[in-house]
Amino acid sequence: EIVLTQSPGTLSLSPGERATLSCRASQSVSSSYLAWYQQKPGQAPRLLIYGASSRATGIPDSFSGSGSGTDFTLTISRLEPEDFAVYYCQQYGSSPYTFGQGTKLEIK
Amino acid sequence: EVQLVESGGGLVQPGGSLRLSCAASGFTFSSYAMSWVRQAPGKGLEWVSAISGSGGSTYYADSVKGRFTISRDNSKNTLYLQMNSLRAEDTAVYYCAKGYYEVVRGVIYYYYYMDVWGKGTTVTVSS
Repeated sequence: EIVLTQSPGTLSLSPGERATLSCRASQSVSSSYLAWYQQKPGQAPRLLIYGASSRATGIPDSFSGSGSGTDFTLTISRLEPEDFAVYYCQQYGSSPYTFGQGTKLEIK
Repeated sequence: EVQLVESGGGLVQPGGSLRLSCAASGFTFSSYAMSWVRQAPGKGLEWVSAISGSGGSTYYADSVKGRFTISRDNSKNTLYLQMNSLRAEDTAVYYCAKGYYEVVRGVIYYYYYMDVWGKGTTVTVSS
């Protein structure tokens, strides 16, 4: 089973700042099958990024994904108030298709 | 509009069974991989199970293997999760989610990321 470790656990930033979230895999994720999701309280998750770097439909270009192998990054170039949420990475290269434990992005 | 609506959640005693359903609309259901993901109260997301578009391939988390069964009825555009031998640690909101597929040189490839999610159904296992 591939274990995904996200860091930091909590990230405190101000609107307008840049956010960098990390997702590290215990073994290589095949074909960069890595996705990122955003979840706000009381809501279902929303897909942001798939294939490590492809933005999902309707996702603003302030969100970008990068990485390969075992190290992946989600970057939000300029934080808007609505971006403060919990972010999860998920690998879908090999079953079980595991999630990371999440990074909470909070307003400083 | 692509839509997923879960149902079947509720309160069940430890050792009991429950069957969740997910009604899909707005897309060609039989073409797409589908998954179940759960979230225990105050916790993160946990992938539970997935199934290919044809239903021929199924996948499970170790925590549910042998107790849960995923299936689909493509004629009814519905995904199911049969949950047996339920435990307190199965208490969670259960989400149904749509995956993706592509055809390359006549071969169908399924991708188990989730681009559309339902609102979830709550399962509580307690005596």
